Amino acid sequence: DAKTTQPPSMDCAEGRAANLPCNHSTISGNEYVYWYRQIHSQGPQYIIHGLKNNETNEMASLIITEDRKSSTLILPHATLRDTAVYYCIVRGYNNNDMRFGAGTRLTVKP
Amino acid sequence: NAGVTQTPKFRILKIGQSMTLQCAQDMNHNYMYWYRQDPGMGLKLIYYSVGAGITDKGEVPNGYNVSRSTTEDFPLRLELAAPSQTSVYFCASSRDRANEQFFGPGTRLTVL
Repeated sequence: DAKTTQPPSMDCAEGRAANLPCNHSTISGNEYVYWYRQIHSQGPQYIIHGLKNNETNEMASLIITEDRKSSTLILPHATLRDTAVYYCIVRGYNNNDMRFGAGTRLTVKP
Repeated sequence: NAGVTQTPKFRILKIGQSMTLQCAQDMNHNYMYWYRQDPGMGLKLIYYSVGAGITDKGEVPNGYNVSRSTTEDFPLRLELAAPSQTSVYFCASSRDRANEQFFGPGTRLTVL
């Protein structure tokens, strides 16, 4: 089973920041937090990952709490094309098994 | 680069038939993976490979077989198709286990 808990759905207004939460209270010290998204029925797309420091790339920012029990993915200026299912995944560096949960369905509205 | 390619895009099988889903990548990645995704659910790992000649089971391997004779190709074999194998199958590859996985467009399989 997935080690993460995410809300099933969220809405966001176009142009505003989308903040997607994820709880991973049983995360262990060597496990990373990964975020992927899946647009319509395409293959999942990697967004970002981190261990304990906050991370930022051209797509998003990842904020991990100090106790590492939760994180937030931030899309700074959501567009209609960001409408997708977003998956938060916890995975150890030596673990080949990436467990996808049901994810959060983000709908960006005009 | 074409990235990860999968064939066919769609397939309908009868119960008991067999087929091979093809997956190829041109990024020289060592790691390759097969996932299935049932409607409304997340992906589940079927098999993975860490390099040519090496494969291992994932979360849901029953009813499937794989081989990895080259770095580029990672076919998935269904020997006796069952309705429970109706799903969308995604192949993915990555440079190593920690790096991002690149996914193919998927194969939609229906078993009737």
